Amino acid sequence: KAGVTQTPRYLIKTRGQQVTLSCSPISGHRSVSWYQQTPGQGLQFLFEYFSETQRNKGNFPGRFSGRQFSNSRSEMNVSTLELGDSALYLCASSPGQGREQYFGPGTRLTVT
Amino acid sequence: ILNVEQSPQSLHVQEGDSTNFTCSFPSSNFYALHWYRWETAKSPEALFVMTLNGDEKKKGRISATLNTKEGYSYLYIKGSQPEDSATYLCAFQPNTGNQFYFGTGTSLTVIP
Repeated sequence: KAGVTQTPRYLIKTRGQQVTLSCSPISGHRSVSWYQQTPGQGLQFLFEYFSETQRNKGNFPGRFSGRQFSNSRSEMNVSTLELGDSALYLCASSPGQGREQYFGPGTRLTVT
Repeated sequence: ILNVEQSPQSLHVQEGDSTNFTCSFPSSNFYALHWYRWETAKSPEALFVMTLNGDEKKKGRISATLNTKEGYSYLYIKGSQPEDSATYLCAFQPNTGNQFYFGTGTSLTVIP
């Protein structure tokens, strides 16, 4: 099976712009979660989608949003980018609750 | 905010040494504890999913134990090899959903 894919892998944006990141889960996985990693911080949970519905949300401002499509592909959007949004964004898919999550390679976002 | 702590933050050992790391997590609302290995320039890779108090899991030279009553898990590596060099992450999954709360990891360097 193909693994989790994320596009783009690298991105440079300017403060105030918005960005959309994409994630394609492993075939058959309906749960997709997003995480942010900044220097010195662990992976911070952003949100989880299952069957096109957001099931859980982490402690992030409303500028961070996401959605999931009927084919389980997911997108994450960050509006009005700030310098502090520079991070590695990881997507993970899972076959179900209590099972391990399979991570993609991540998107490295740099905000200047 | 759920607090998941890992210690030590980093570790340098000689090839052949055995080592262990600690993960502390909330003892309430427990559903599962996950261990991941994250090598540089790769995606986090699932090692173990642990759900029951007293669980012990083993994969080759790596093993893990779980104590949900006191909220800790140990990861052991026997006879460390240079290819074991990576960051080891633990993630607490509460019984409220599929979100994972990660620790900041233990960075292991095995010196040949």
